[in-house]
Amino acid sequence: DIQMTQSPSSVSASVGDRVTITCRASQGISNYLAWFQHKPGKAPRSLIYAVSTLQSGVPSKFSGSGSETDFTLTISSLQPEDFATYFCLQYKSYPRTFGQGTKVEI
Amino acid sequence: QVQLQESGPGLVKPSETLSLTCTVSGASITAYSWTWIRQPPGRGLEWIGYIYYTGTTKYNPFLSSRVTMSLDMSKSQFSLKMSSVTAADTAVYYCARDITGIWGIDFWGQGTLVTVSS
Repeated sequence: DIQMTQSPSSVSASVGDRVTITCRASQGISNYLAWFQHKPGKAPRSLIYAVSTLQSGVPSKFSGSGSETDFTLTISSLQPEDFATYFCLQYKSYPRTFGQGTKVEI
Repeated sequence: QVQLQESGPGLVKPSETLSLTCTVSGASITAYSWTWIRQPPGRGLEWIGYIYYTGTTKYNPFLSSRVTMSLDMSKSQFSLKMSSVTAADTAVYYCARDITGIWGIDFWGQGTLVTVSS
């Protein structure tokens, strides 16, 4: 299985801050990497697929970059609604595997 | 807007079979792969498997001996059965749509907690 190592596990930030989250794959996954936002009791929300393509309706303050094994999600200018858990997903191969998640806290 | 909603018992006894259903609205179930994912308390997400609209299935090897997935196109639903459950199967269970290709998983349900306890 491809292991996805996500860091940090949590980050404290303030409104207006820029936050960067990383995911590292144990082997190359080309550009089969997605990012999700999850708030308690809600369905996870797809933010980005194919490393850097924003899902419809996702604001441009979210951006993704990377390739093969190292990937980054950046949230520029954090707003109150952005405080949530973020996780990555590799879908290069089965079984699909996920990062452990990053909780973005105030 | 595509919506998925999990349903099923919140409590299952050890050694019994866990049964969950996911109802899809806003999209046809006659396309794509329909996926189950879970998150045990305090742990990360685990991919359980998918059922393709043709009925083809693929399961995570670590669960494959206990898992069965099925589709009911007339009700726009797909289901998960997991046999011989133990406390280690206690988790929030999510259903999701996997478009595969470069698009991956896009829509999820909000999840349902299943507790395995006597």
